[in-house]
Amino acid sequence: EAQVTQNPRYLITVTGKKLTVTCSQNMNHEYMSWYRQDPGLGLRQIYYSMNVEVTDKGDVPEGYKVSRKEKRNFPLILESPSPNQTSLYFCASSLSPGTGLNYGYTFGSGTRLTVV
Amino acid sequence: SQKIEQNSEALNIQEGKTATLTCNYTNYSPAYLQWYRQDPGRGPVFLLLIRENEKEKRKERLKVTFDTTLKQSLFHITASQPADSATYLCALDMTTDSWGKLQFGAGTQVVVTP
Repeated sequence: EAQVTQNPRYLITVTGKKLTVTCSQNMNHEYMSWYRQDPGLGLRQIYYSMNVEVTDKGDVPEGYKVSRKEKRNFPLILESPSPNQTSLYFCASSLSPGTGLNYGYTFGSGTRLTVV
Repeated sequence: SQKIEQNSEALNIQEGKTATLTCNYTNYSPAYLQWYRQDPGRGPVFLLLIRENEKEKRKERLKVTFDTTLKQSLFHITASQPADSATYLCALDMTTDSWGKLQFGAGTQVVVTP
């Protein structure tokens, strides 16, 4: 089944303890992205990647790191989490629009992170 | 940066009627405009994509229009059903030959009552 898999689904951690949220897709998509969703603020892009070793900042990159060493994986790293990073996180992937297909983004099921 | 506006008030509609949602944006027109459906606690699900040179796109009971002069997209759900109850998000991508910097509106909740 074509999908984007995020882990973990739920995570409670303490301030300052480094954590990684994994994201993997099995569709050979070039584009991957991370979003956070907060009540009243909608989905905001953290980082995106247009291909292996190519990453760029979204609208809210502060406090986050990413890497794209393989096409299928795009982990999100919080080096020193703080309570304001408590949120619902989504990973997404997509084909290039150059394929000519009417193709949007495929989203993962989300990771609900709580930083205390 | 681009500002994307969707009606924040929930749209309550009776089963069988047509629901119409709006997405307005400021500044420059995007290369692609997309619509997604999101259920509570779940990831958005892609519905339709329309390009800047397209006026209308359809998929089953869904229809999207794109007016770059008005800087607006309309999203229609015809013959609505209770199963259509969800939040609908519009998303804009600015670039023409690549993409990645996709921005979302806050979404409009649709409630379809029997």
